[in-house]
Amino acid sequence: EVLLVESGGGLVEPGGSLKLSCSASGFTFSSYTMNWVRQAPGKGLEWVSSIRPSGGYMYYADSVKGRFTISRDNAENSLYLQMNSLRAEDTAVYYCARDSSGYSDAFDLWGQGTMVTVSS
Amino acid sequence: DIQMTQSPSSLSASVRDRVAITCRASQTVSTYLNWYQQKPGKAPKLLIYAASILVSGVPSRFSGSRSGTDFTLTISGLLPEDFATYYCQQTFNTPPTFGQGTKLDI
Repeated sequence: EVLLVESGGGLVEPGGSLKLSCSASGFTFSSYTMNWVRQAPGKGLEWVSSIRPSGGYMYYADSVKGRFTISRDNAENSLYLQMNSLRAEDTAVYYCARDSSGYSDAFDLWGQGTMVTVSS
Repeated sequence: DIQMTQSPSSLSASVRDRVAITCRASQTVSTYLNWYQQKPGKAPKLLIYAASILVSGVPSRFSGSRSGTDFTLTISGLLPEDFATYYCQQTFNTPPTFGQGTKLDI
């Protein structure tokens, strides 16, 4: 079964750190660009970061640049998001999503999400 | 960044109705336009990519079209399971950006 499973969410104080993981199965993980997308409670979708298949190129939303780091381990079929200097506005469900790498680069596979709450 | 403006932000309809949701890009995105459906507490699901190509397994009552920088998602013959929130997304430029969503309810 083709699957993405996120983990690592939780409650953290402002200024704290958290590392999210996304475990992939059922497809050749190393062939796909991967993304993190978040959704604040009751709000819309916001792209956070992406990483190319080899891990050599990473991209970030301005809202997280300098604070978040995306990485991957193709041998472990895993995607990560290291989140530092967390703020209340980072509170959201974080999804990992696969870039289809087809014509339109749509996000064709999503995990179930992991909740991050930044609060004192 | 490319801004994606969806309208309406909410829409009330009935089973068997035909509805249309529009998405306007602030600049050209060619056909790098995708539509997602999201139900409460669930991850988004890709419905249509490249403006008009239906994902395998998505019912044919869903369709997408493009006119310049304006895109439309049409659902013909609403079924109860179609009541959800719909998002457009452009992947022409980085960062990929989403519309604000359209909540479709009964």
